[in-house]
Amino acid sequence: DPKIIQKPKYLVAVTGSEKILICEQYLGHNAMYWYRQSAKKPLEFMFSYSYQKLMDNQTASSRFQPQSSKKNHLDLQITALKPDDSATYFCASSQQGGNTEVFFGKGTRLTVV
Amino acid sequence: GEQVEQLPSILRVQEGSSASINCSYEDSASNYFPWYKQEPGENPKLIIDIRSNMERKQIQELIVLLDKKAKRFSLHITDTQPGDSAMYFCAASGGSGYNKLTFGKGTVLLVSP
Repeated sequence: DPKIIQKPKYLVAVTGSEKILICEQYLGHNAMYWYRQSAKKPLEFMFSYSYQKLMDNQTASSRFQPQSSKKNHLDLQITALKPDDSATYFCASSQQGGNTEVFFGKGTRLTVV
Repeated sequence: GEQVEQLPSILRVQEGSSASINCSYEDSASNYFPWYKQEPGENPKLIIDIRSNMERKQIQELIVLLDKKAKRFSLHITDTQPGDSAMYFCAASGGSGYNKLTFGKGTVLLVSP
């Protein structure tokens, strides 16, 4: 019974289009994150949020915009999609504070054609 | 920012033997070192972690060692089983960034019967 729900599981998008990846967590955590995993790069940190506030952004491109409408939601909007954006995007969460276990969702596998 | 090196990239062992994976990090401020196991098509799952106030931690067949002076940490799996076959990632956090995990490139562990 997954406690971090990511939708959709698979997504195919056309180059230049825009997509939103959905993430909801039911672990009662206050911190949420996005990570990306591709064949070229290992698990790569993108963003961290705490109490719905952006804490850290390691994504160079402004095409990636996290959106937090509720404390347990952290969606990821990606605009002007490129084939290089093809990857599995993992949403994750943890309790407030550092050095605590980070739980990962099942991921959204994005393919840009 | 933090960089984590992980070796080997592929590790083949016989069932019942031990397997060791080594990681090194650069940021002396890093103080939390988790290990994740990822099976094909699945999300990474925490299997063991160690904080900088410890040098050794064991959970059943998993042993983690941390050498802060050398900035190295390692995972040792004793009495490996075919079910241990998976991708393993080391990570470090606690330096720069908010709860940012910096991952190694991963080790594919193959346990043959």
